[in-house]
Parts: sequence; C-alpha cells; structure tokens
Amino acid sequence: GENVEQHPSTLSVQEGDSAVIKCTYSDSASNYFPWYKQELGKRPQLIIDIRSNVGEKKDQRIAVTLNKTAKHFSLHITETQPEDSAVYFCAATGYNFNKFYFGSGTKLNVKP
Amino acid sequence: NAGVTQTPKFHILKTGQSMTLQCAQDMNHGYLSWYRQDPGMGLRRIHYSVAAGITDKGEVPDGYNVSRSNTEDFPLRLESAAPSQTSVYFCASKLVTSDLTDTQYFGPGTRLTVL
Repeated sequence: GENVEQHPSTLSVQEGDSAVIKCTYSDSASNYFPWYKQELGKRPQLIIDIRSNVGEKKDQRIAVTLNKTAKHFSLHITETQPEDSAVYFCAATGYNFNKFYFGSGTKLNVKP
Repeated sequence: NAGVTQTPKFHILKTGQSMTLQCAQDMNHGYLSWYRQDPGMGLRRIHYSVAAGITDKGEVPDGYNVSRSNTEDFPLRLESAAPSQTSVYFCASKLVTSDLTDTQYFGPGTRLTVL
C-alpha cells in the first residue's frame, strides 16, 4: 500500500527564517497532495494543496513543490511567525477515494 | 452552517464496552470519513463513505463499524472496545466531485480513552 514519509519530525526555527518540510510517497497513482496545519488541541485544517500536473504552487508565505519523478513534495514557509507554530501533515491520494494517506507530522516551533 | 460536528468531545470506556461516536455535517457533502490520530503516527483512515448506503474500509478498519443511512450522519461504532482503540477520532467531509482539490473539512474530534 501507500507509504507517506515525512521529515523532519520536529523543526525549530527563529522568527523570520524559512522552514521546509519534506514528504515522499510510494504509490505512483497518487496525484493530489494536500498539506494540513493542526494547532494544539484543534482539528487539522487545509493550508495548501497541489495536483500532479503542477510543479509548484504559492499562497503568500506558503509554497508547495512537487517532483513526480522522484515522488517527493515539500512545504516551504517563508518569513515564519510565532503563529506558524503547529504540527503540519502532508497527505497523498489518487483519483478515487480508496487511498488517502497522511504523513506522521512535523512539529514546527517558531521562536520569537 | 455548523460544518462538521462530533459528539461526544471526551469519553472513557472500559475494555469490552460498546460505544458510538457521532458525526454530522450540514454542508450536503457526499464524502464522509473517520480517522484516528495517535502520537507520532499522523492520521489514519478507518472507514469512509461516498454516499448514503455506501461505506468502505479505510486503512485501519478492524474493530470498527460504520453505517450511512442519510447524507448528514456517519456514526462510528466500537462493539467491544480495547485499550488499543484509545485515540483521538476525527470525522471529515468533502464534496464528491471529479475535482479532487475540494477541501476536506474536519470535525473538532472525540478523545476516547479505553481502560
């Protein structure tokens, strides 16, 4: 089955620095890759996503890149702020609903 | 719209007891799913449904049952709870369309402890 690996498990950066979280997947049929942010005690919320026919997508300080050949995708957060501190999850799924896999999460700590 | 709601927020069960976790959505979403979240393991899908009357197994279905009698509700049943089912459970919903980029909305979660 699918296996989504996510690294690092924890990441600590200084406010204003950039943060990068990387995920790899194994199922070549995967073609939709969302990223979720989960604050402590809260529900996961979608922050950005990318489809397999796109190599990069940006939304203000957040960007996601996808390399389908290498089967990896990354989340980039620039000019980090303390409110970016949370756990971030990547996920991978295909054109039907029978596969939806999450990475194990990255705890991001932005130090003021 | 209330979005996705879950009840209860917290519950403690004894081993062998049964329990139903409730999930409801008022966004007319066809797709509903249940996930469990354990420390260091991310979210794992238990069961899902793409429409009323249709359910299917996710990646970790053992020990859980679901039913979907209407569009709004998707209860998760634990028939004989085990300590390994101690977890935080999330229900999630999304539209069923050909566009996979529809956002999946999560409920607030149910924290379940099995002693």
